Amino acid sequence: GAGVSQSPSNKVTEKGKDVELRCDPISGHTALYWYRQRLGQGLEFLIYFQGNSAPDKSGLPSDRFSAERTGESVSTLTIQRTQQEDSAVYLCASSLQVASSTDTQYFGPGTRLTVL
Amino acid sequence: LAKTTQPISMDSYEGQEVNITCSHNNIATNDYITWYQQFPSQGPRFIIQGYKTKVTNEVASLFIPADRKSSTLSLPRVSLSDTAVYYCLVGVYNQGGKLIFGQGTELSVKP
Repeated sequence: GAGVSQSPSNKVTEKGKDVELRCDPISGHTALYWYRQRLGQGLEFLIYFQGNSAPDKSGLPSDRFSAERTGESVSTLTIQRTQQEDSAVYLCASSLQVASSTDTQYFGPGTRLTVL
Repeated sequence: LAKTTQPISMDSYEGQEVNITCSHNNIATNDYITWYQQFPSQGPRFIIQGYKTKVTNEVASLFIPADRKSSTLSLPRVSLSDTAVYYCLVGVYNQGGKLIFGQGTELSVKP
């Protein structure tokens, strides 16, 4: 595709419900990243994938958060039993090669999650 | 893991040159320095990347001193559309490290 896409663009849910956020990276990009951005804050790194492997999951805020990736394609971020503090924009990015600071990350438009 | 420090906000006027400095005292030998720009309600966008000395592209210049403990993003003749948050990024993932964007610098360009 032309760029990174994310769906849904907006999600409003009730506290305690599960949500699934989807990211479609740029075709051929090996690395994929998830970030969280609270209102007026910087980006908070959550997890990254090298292919379908996630070498470091320690950025996930709690065990309610999980992520998976199918091959070098779609990734889903799942939040179980959502809490109000989960409200934020969730951004996905992908890059061509191994995950390093030399790789340009291409970001999607984000999913705005609101937990009531 | 290289931690970065930037000013929280800066103000400028149209047509001026803006310089945003980022401190990264514990940058590693193999780290590159990358700057991203983020407009409201959008994901960040790559601006420029460098390792040492000076890099220039159609959008900005990046100045890196010999010790590489800081870097300066220079935006020539800013316009209202340059109002955004600018992030300095240093680090590597592939050894299990995390890349931290930090708070960024909120640049406000006024007419």
